[in-house]
Amino acid sequence: EAGVAQSPRYKIIEKRQSVAFWCNPISGHATLYWYQQILGQGPKLLIQFQNNGVVDDSQLPKDRFSAERLKGVDSTLKIQPAKLEDSAVYLCASSSYEGLAGGVEQYFGPGTRLTVT
Amino acid sequence: GEDVEQSLFLSVREGDSSVINCTYTDSSSTYLYWYKQEPGAGLQLLTYIFSNMDMKQDQRLTVLLNKKDKHLSLRIADTQTGDSAIYFCAERNSASKIIFGSGTRLSIRP
Repeated sequence: EAGVAQSPRYKIIEKRQSVAFWCNPISGHATLYWYQQILGQGPKLLIQFQNNGVVDDSQLPKDRFSAERLKGVDSTLKIQPAKLEDSAVYLCASSSYEGLAGGVEQYFGPGTRLTVT
Repeated sequence: GEDVEQSLFLSVREGDSSVINCTYTDSSSTYLYWYKQEPGAGLQLLTYIFSNMDMKQDQRLTVLLNKKDKHLSLRIADTQTGDSAIYFCAERNSASKIIFGSGTRLSIRP
């Protein structure tokens, strides 16, 4: 079974530029999560999707971050414009359907390391 | 607020047992997790325990949960060089959100 795929693996941009990350979850997983992991910290949830609907985006800085999962499979996370403090690893995870809460087991992709200069 | 605390570093000799400790604050946690992160990689789910259990064993891994003290530990028996990584403790809170600790970096001495 293929795992969670993410691209690109690395991205370097200047502040105020835009960037987009892509995620393809494990086949059949209805719930998709985007996390931000700042160096030296654990991941923090940005947004959770159930199929193509948003379940929780309370921690998403909506003035600059946006995410979509139009067909309930792949997802894109965008930052526009980027700030220096957005430098982090952006992790995508997925879980099987177990109600709105999502499955107990979350499986993570390799992440995209973003450096904002 | 919700918080998950771990010590930052642990160094053990190859072949010894490693014990990584974690404390959490949310008494309504439903599941407690251990994830492993190797350099440049995502998080790998190692094991998890339901909050009404006090122990779970899986090959070299033993998880102990003291719900009264809100303390979780992960014991790795016969630690090998391949066990070098950052280990994250996490709790699934009553809103089904997973809250991660800051990770414990495990290093192995020959």
